[in-house]
Amino acid sequence: QSALTQPPSASGSPGQSVTISCTGTSSDVGAYNYVSWYQQHPGKAPKLIIYEVTKRPSGVSDRFSGSKSGNTASLTVSGLQAEDEADYYCSSYTGSNNLVIFGGGTKLTVL
Amino acid sequence: QVQLQESGPGLVKPSETLSLTCTVSGDSISSYYWSWIRQFPGKGLEWIGNIYYTGTTNCNPSLKSRVTISLDTSKNQFSLKLSSVTAADTAVYYCARHRYSGASSYFDYWGQGTLVTVSS
Repeated sequence: QSALTQPPSASGSPGQSVTISCTGTSSDVGAYNYVSWYQQHPGKAPKLIIYEVTKRPSGVSDRFSGSKSGNTASLTVSGLQAEDEADYYCSSYTGSNNLVIFGGGTKLTVL
Repeated sequence: QVQLQESGPGLVKPSETLSLTCTVSGDSISSYYWSWIRQFPGKGLEWIGNIYYTGTTNCNPSLKSRVTISLDTSKNQFSLKLSSVTAADTAVYYCARHRYSGASSYFDYWGQGTLVTVSS
């Protein structure tokens, strides 16, 4: 099972919005609303910021939002802040062997 | 507050077995699924597998022949054994609570991670 495809990098200035894509197939992203997103700062564990495509855990800023169209899921970070600079990973369930797969990660830089 | 803490050797010799334990506090292990995930030096994440309190497990097919996941409900711990390791198994290993059902799949709590290096 191949990993999900994410752009290696993204950037934006403070206050702007940035969208990160996550492309899978009709067997994973396109088949289930089980896409989740994780934020990882250097030397730290990943942190859940979006689950089930659009839902935010309690305590996560509403500047983070998720969506999906076909086989591609997206994470939008609005009102960029310096603290948003981090790596972002998407993940999806696939019905094949009850497998969970991740994207390769996107490094978000706040200019 | 749910907390997870990985423990185990940071250095394993090639061909030997990597063994890690995750201790869970703030929640009973007798609920939800519990997963192992690793992150390679190049940053990529790989799901290794999970276990339910009943003992039911799911594993990444690419690792299935080498992976054993077990749990000890009396200690609120679950464990990972990965046999016949090579340098390619060098990674940071995380344990995580896995919200996994017919309707969902996501990891809502993670341990801090432990670096395991495979080297002679």
